[in-house]
Amino acid sequence: KAGVTQTPRYLIKTRGQQVTLSCSPISGHRSVSWYQQTPGQGLQFLFEYFSETQRNKGNFPGRFSGRQFSNSRSEMNVSTLELGDSALYLCASSLGRGGTFQETQYFGPGTRLLVL
Amino acid sequence: AQTVTQSQPEMSVQEAETVTLSCTYDTSESDYYLFWYKQPPSRQMILVIRQEAYKQQNATENRFSVNFQKAAKSFSLKISDSQLGDAAMYFCAYNNNDMRFGAGTRLTVKP
Repeated sequence: KAGVTQTPRYLIKTRGQQVTLSCSPISGHRSVSWYQQTPGQGLQFLFEYFSETQRNKGNFPGRFSGRQFSNSRSEMNVSTLELGDSALYLCASSLGRGGTFQETQYFGPGTRLLVL
Repeated sequence: AQTVTQSQPEMSVQEAETVTLSCTYDTSESDYYLFWYKQPPSRQMILVIRQEAYKQQNATENRFSVNFQKAAKSFSLKISDSQLGDAAMYFCAYNNNDMRFGAGTRLTVKP
């Protein structure tokens, strides 16, 4: 089976712009979660989508949003970018049969975002 | 709120030796899941091992095993017969509808 894929792998934006990141889960997986990884804050959970609905949400401002399509692919959007949004954004998928996080999550390679 | 603490920012081990990475967590829940993930320089997070809190038996995956002490809220990872490819950041993670990661331990393997 193909693993979790994320596009693009690298991205450079300027402050105030918006960005959309994409994640394709492992075939058959219905749950997609997003994480932000920075040297200062470590790995932080953003949100999780299951069956096109946001099932769980971390403590991030409303500038961070996401959605999931009927084929389970997910997109994450960050509006009005700030310098502090520079990070590695990781996507993870799981089967989604259980509750949030009760299953093993499989991670994609990440998208590295640099905000100038 | 649940927190995960990895008290060892860096660890070093000689190839073929054994190393133990520590992890403690704080929770009031009785049912949850614990994981160890490995993140090599490629930045791809790879699942190493998983433990369900309701299981008393410690999980084992080949050279990787855990020492799960539920009462002490401790979840350490033991790597036996360390290999050069084991060098990476190791993250301990707790989840029960709220995924939390520790700050990570950077493991260096010396040839």
